[in-house]
Amino acid sequence: AQSVTQPDIHITVSEGASLELRCNYSYGATPYLFWYVQSPGQGLQLLLKYFSGDTLVQGIKGFEAEFKRSQSSFNLRKPSVHWSDAAEYFCAVGPPYNAGNNRKLIWGLGTSLGVNP
Amino acid sequence: NAGVMQNPRHLVRRRGQEARLRCSPMKGHSHVYWYRQLPEEGLKFMVYLQKENIIDESGMPKERFSAEFPKEGPSILRIQQVVRGDSAAYFCASSPSPRDRPIEAFFGQGTRLTVV
Repeated sequence: AQSVTQPDIHITVSEGASLELRCNYSYGATPYLFWYVQSPGQGLQLLLKYFSGDTLVQGIKGFEAEFKRSQSSFNLRKPSVHWSDAAEYFCAVGPPYNAGNNRKLIWGLGTSLGVNP
Repeated sequence: NAGVMQNPRHLVRRRGQEARLRCSPMKGHSHVYWYRQLPEEGLKFMVYLQKENIIDESGMPKERFSAEFPKEGPSILRIQQVVRGDSAAYFCASSPSPRDRPIEAFFGQGTRLTVV
């Protein structure tokens, strides 16, 4: 079955501390991988994506993520968290482009990030 | 270049009424996706459309829900005879034709439906 697991429901870090949000997936083939951020009452903003190539991808707002095929993981990291990073973070996986009409993204339940001043 | 536009942002309906949610895709995008986010849950795929054609509706409830993306105008997600369990955030996303490239969906800000 296709699924995405974000093991941490809620994480709180101090401003300036490093951050790692975990994401594991189960998928038939190597999927495309995404991280989105949702601020309270707002829509979903794409932070970064992995399609192929270099397994360490850089995104917006200083975020990066590393794809590890052997671990079926795509963890999100940031070296120094800012108070404005407090939000809900979602990991999602989707089919490769040659998957016919299947375009659905499978989502994790999200990790809520709190930032202490 | 405007992003994906959804309206209304908030919608309150009484049980039994109809809800119509609109989504205008980004300029140049011909494919639209609808997702539902129930409280305390992740997003769930509902339907994937291109203009005048439903490509995949495997996530749509069998009754009361319908979606369209006409040749002109926005995509519409229609919920008839709403019930309290329909209360959720409904997100629309759009992408260019995915035929020759990986999908990258851009999301709107969502419509938050409350059924009272």
